Amino acid sequence: AQTVTQSQPEMSVQEAETVTLSCTYDTSESDYYLFWYKQPPSRQMILVIRQEAYKQQNATENRFSVNFQKAAKSFSLKISDSQLGDAAMYFCAWGGGADGLTFGKGTHLIIQP
Amino acid sequence: NAGVTQTPKFQVLKTGQSMTLQCAQDMNHEYMSWYRQDPGMGLRLIHYSVGAGITDQGEVPNGYNVSRSTTEDFPLRLLSAAPSQTSVYFCASSSLGSVEYFGPGTRLTVT
Repeated sequence: AQTVTQSQPEMSVQEAETVTLSCTYDTSESDYYLFWYKQPPSRQMILVIRQEAYKQQNATENRFSVNFQKAAKSFSLKISDSQLGDAAMYFCAWGGGADGLTFGKGTHLIIQP
Repeated sequence: NAGVTQTPKFQVLKTGQSMTLQCAQDMNHEYMSWYRQDPGMGLRLIHYSVGAGITDQGEVPNGYNVSRSTTEDFPLRLLSAAPSQTSVYFCASSSLGSVEYFGPGTRLTVT
């Protein structure tokens, strides 16, 4: 079975600064996807970024980028120029295909104005 | 496109009652899933389906039933509600290689 671990229950960052959220996972599969989802107080699950395991290049999406280390099974999310609207729970998730996602327990991100 | 829709948004049940949470998607996705989210936890997979007529159990299937008679709909049935099933329930859909799209969630309280 796959496991996803987020070791930081809460992180705080000053507005406009950069913050990195950590995620490690365990799997025996070679082909899979990794995701970061954002959940604001509205509880809607919003995709932030996706990484395909067979791609060595790290995914980026505007101010959001990942550091994907396949051998180390690490998948961290970097948020640059943090904004107040980035405040939310962030979940790391692993997906193998058709059988749903495995989520970490989440990191609560606080943005200090 | 409405995406993934869930009804109801909120529900209060008494212990022992049964109910069905509805989920529908209009993106013609073959895969659909149900998750529950408890405080301090990430989402945990209850059941999933890879196509009409095909369902399978996830991590926490006990006390829940699913069926998938059409591509669009994937209802989740609580057979006899228990306080331990108090949670927020999310339905999601995807196709092979695509992102999982989530519904807005249903907050269920069992008293």
